[in-house]
Amino acid sequence: DQQVKQNSPSLSVQEGRISILNCDYTNSMFDYFLWYKKYPAEGPTFLISISSIKDKNEDGRFTVFLNKSAKHLSLHIVPSQPGDSAVYFCAASDAGGTSYGKLTFGQGTILTVHP
Amino acid sequence: NAGVTQTPKFQVLKTGQSMTLQCAQDMNHNSMYWYRQDPGMGLRLIYYSASEGTTDKGEVPNGYNVSRLNKREFSLRLESAAPSQTSVYFCASRLTGMGGYTFGSGTRLTVV
Repeated sequence: DQQVKQNSPSLSVQEGRISILNCDYTNSMFDYFLWYKKYPAEGPTFLISISSIKDKNEDGRFTVFLNKSAKHLSLHIVPSQPGDSAVYFCAASDAGGTSYGKLTFGQGTILTVHP
Repeated sequence: NAGVTQTPKFQVLKTGQSMTLQCAQDMNHNSMYWYRQDPGMGLRLIYYSASEGTTDKGEVPNGYNVSRLNKREFSLRLESAAPSQTSVYFCASRLTGMGGYTFGSGTRLTVV
């Protein structure tokens, strides 16, 4: 039972354009969401997060949008750069409960940004 | 500024062999976690330690044991390795509250 799903295994975008990565979740107890970026042979690195009390959070070129009613979040990268090429993981947590920081991850989306 | 250090980086085991994956963090984080990453599955939680002296099972604990040796170190042991445990293993740590983890660079384990 995949509680966090990234239905697009891969995405290809031209440099300078917008990249939109999507994530759906099923557990209504999730109230904190994160995006991680992973390069080959490295561990994932934290990118951006959003609490369920917000519907948008921005950090430079990265914006995360949360639609609680649809149980959907998305990561927008504008403008996309070749260095953004990586695997992106969506993750969720029940911050208000006793999750002790346990995260449930999606399967990941491979983003390729072409020069 | 080492962050989270995992050893070894690569390992090949024969079925039935045992080994321990080591993880240490130097950020004074309270919570530590072991995840495995498999193609098409994302990262799945094996075990975690919310604080020094406590450990608990995650989503896929079967075939593994852990030890939170002190605040810095959290090891993962495979007692009798199986081919299904071929994976990339990541250790992570977190201070308190919510916020992102800091991950190690991973251990790529192959069981033949």
